[in-house]
Amino acid sequence: SQQGEEDPQALSIQEGENATMNCSYKTSINNLQWYRQNSGRGLVHLILIRSNEREKHSGRLRVTLDTSKKSSSLLITASRAADTASYFCATADMNYGGATNKLIFGTGTLLAVQP
Amino acid sequence: DTGVSQNPRHKITKRGQNVTFRCDPISEHNRLYWYRQTLGQGPEFLTYFQNEAQLEKSRLLSDRFSAERPKGSFSTLEIQRTEQGDSAMYLCASRETSGSIGTQYFGPGTRLTVL
Repeated sequence: SQQGEEDPQALSIQEGENATMNCSYKTSINNLQWYRQNSGRGLVHLILIRSNEREKHSGRLRVTLDTSKKSSSLLITASRAADTASYFCATADMNYGGATNKLIFGTGTLLAVQP
Repeated sequence: DTGVSQNPRHKITKRGQNVTFRCDPISEHNRLYWYRQTLGQGPEFLTYFQNEAQLEKSRLLSDRFSAERPKGSFSTLEIQRTEQGDSAMYLCASRETSGSIGTQYFGPGTRLTVL
């Protein structure tokens, strides 16, 4: 079963604009990760934020985490056509004394960046 | 290329046939995961290995599914008596053992179509 929902399900923007995607989850987590998936391909890891962190940056990516609301957001600044992909959040299940095992994915946001 | 590899990339089979997929993880990674992804959804966890030990199986992994990792390196996922509902992308991922925080690195996936 899916961990939660991503919002919006689909997003279309112009090149150069910022894109914001939100993710909600249901259980206690050790960390939350964001992945990108180009059409019909495997997932590429983008960024990981730990449960005791509130914000993290990596290049044009900014991730926030609010554990009280069980939600996270991914901001892509100055978007490019190459950013067109599906974006998934995934939470690491608390198991085996805290060691993370399986990832539980959201339903994804399909981002289209128009040139 | 030292990433996770999967073979075959595509498999078309007739209902009732058996299929086997292979995953070669990143060489120093002890943990290996299988996920299944259907169209428009995020990946769902199937099973997890630490070295050769299969430590967790999802309820999604019916009796027709079996996974092995005999020498703690590559892994195989076999589906017996395939059904049309087995049509999906099967993804393999690996990560290091050390630490409780870890990134899973995904392979390109095997897309299964059951006719």
